[in-house]
Amino acid sequence: EADIYQTPRYLVIGTGKKITLECSQTMGHDKMYWYQQDPGMELHLIHYSYGVNSTEKGDLSSESTVSRIRTEHFPLTLESARPSHTSQYLCASSPPSHLQTQYFGPGTRLLVL
Amino acid sequence: DQQVKQNSPSLSVQEGRISILNCDYTNSMFDYFLWYKKYPAEGPTFLISISSIKDKNEDGRFTVFLNKSAKHLSLHIVPSQPGDSAVYFCAASAMPQGAQKLVFGQGTRLTINP
Repeated sequence: EADIYQTPRYLVIGTGKKITLECSQTMGHDKMYWYQQDPGMELHLIHYSYGVNSTEKGDLSSESTVSRIRTEHFPLTLESARPSHTSQYLCASSPPSHLQTQYFGPGTRLLVL
Repeated sequence: DQQVKQNSPSLSVQEGRISILNCDYTNSMFDYFLWYKKYPAEGPTFLISISSIKDKNEDGRFTVFLNKSAKHLSLHIVPSQPGDSAVYFCAASAMPQGAQKLVFGQGTRLTINP
């Protein structure tokens, strides 16, 4: 089972603030992903990475940005938070030996006031 | 357009009985399917998967069935236990798109009654 960590778990912040959601995994997985999920809805892929210095946008348009400077770290940044960004953000990673099984972190629940 | 659909938002089952969760998909290019379980305030936990070359995969109390002609898959849990109460998501991907991008359904909330 993958060890993947997200901080903070919960964040309440005012409009206009810059925030960074942290995601780290200790399994050496090359591929990492960010999903956004609203209550009662499906998960939507917003960013993914094949490896260091590789980032791509997902299927759902997002104002967030990501970086992948180290294999184990895949932070997501919102330059100016808005109430429409209120959601749950889930980070995942996948090992090469199980190509399509993604393992998820506990998520960050973001509330923008 | 929603490529993966779970048409039942909720399901209630008696403890010890069989739980059957259903999922339909529209993209015939999907060739790998997964089921995840999610508790509130936690990330999804991988349960079981199936490749399109199979029509059944079993792991303990969990069995996934795939009907490619109907573009339908189902997850059977037997016997159901109170700890199985959670939201279940099916997901699908199409390789080789290379990105291993999973497309998720909306989830079905399963409640196991004692």
